[in-house]
Amino acid sequence: GESVGLHLPTLSVQEGDNSIINCAYSNSASDYFIWYKQESGKGPQFIIDIRSNMDKRQGQRVTVLLNKTVKHLSLQIAATQPGDSAVYFCAESRGGKLTFGQGTILTVHP
Amino acid sequence: KAGVTQTPRYLIKTRGQQVTLSCSPISGHRSVSWYQQTPGQGLQFLFEYFSETQRNKGNFPGRFSGRQFSNSRSEMNVSTLELGDSALYLCASSLDEGVNQPQHFGDGTRLSIL
Repeated sequence: GESVGLHLPTLSVQEGDNSIINCAYSNSASDYFIWYKQESGKGPQFIIDIRSNMDKRQGQRVTVLLNKTVKHLSLQIAATQPGDSAVYFCAESRGGKLTFGQGTILTVHP
Repeated sequence: KAGVTQTPRYLIKTRGQQVTLSCSPISGHRSVSWYQQTPGQGLQFLFEYFSETQRNKGNFPGRFSGRQFSNSRSEMNVSTLELGDSALYLCASSLDEGVNQPQHFGDGTRLSIL
């Protein structure tokens, strides 16, 4: 039979552009959020996290924005590089139990 | 500090067999969680162990089981393998259970069922 897979959102950008990856979460009681990056053949790699008492947090070249009113999370990557090409997952948590989104494929063209 | 280590990296089995996967958490981490990742379902939570006890369980059949040892290392077992069990099995560790904190993943065991 035909295999049905998740149709992941995709984002294609040019090297040096800024990227914005969006995520809608489902549980209004979630109080902790994480972004992960997964490269081919590897496990998810922690990028940045944010707690629900914040609406913005910055790391090195990355910024996470949290809008609890509309249950929306975004990851901004500045000056995107070819090495940023990967699948990006958001995860929501309450009490330490993580629930993952479906992921977004980011492709960076040199 | 060494990351999460999973063995073996690749495994091929046939239907009806059983398999045991191993996970060594980051040193000092006491909580270990297991996930199944497939193209069709994405990342799905299997179970979490802390202090050698299963603390949370996802929606998987009883053929999927696990355990944790006193040194926090964990194993998961899948019995009576089915074709649909083909997946990447990921282990993640964190310092404690029930606390909002990052989970750090290994590179997984790629299980293929023939």
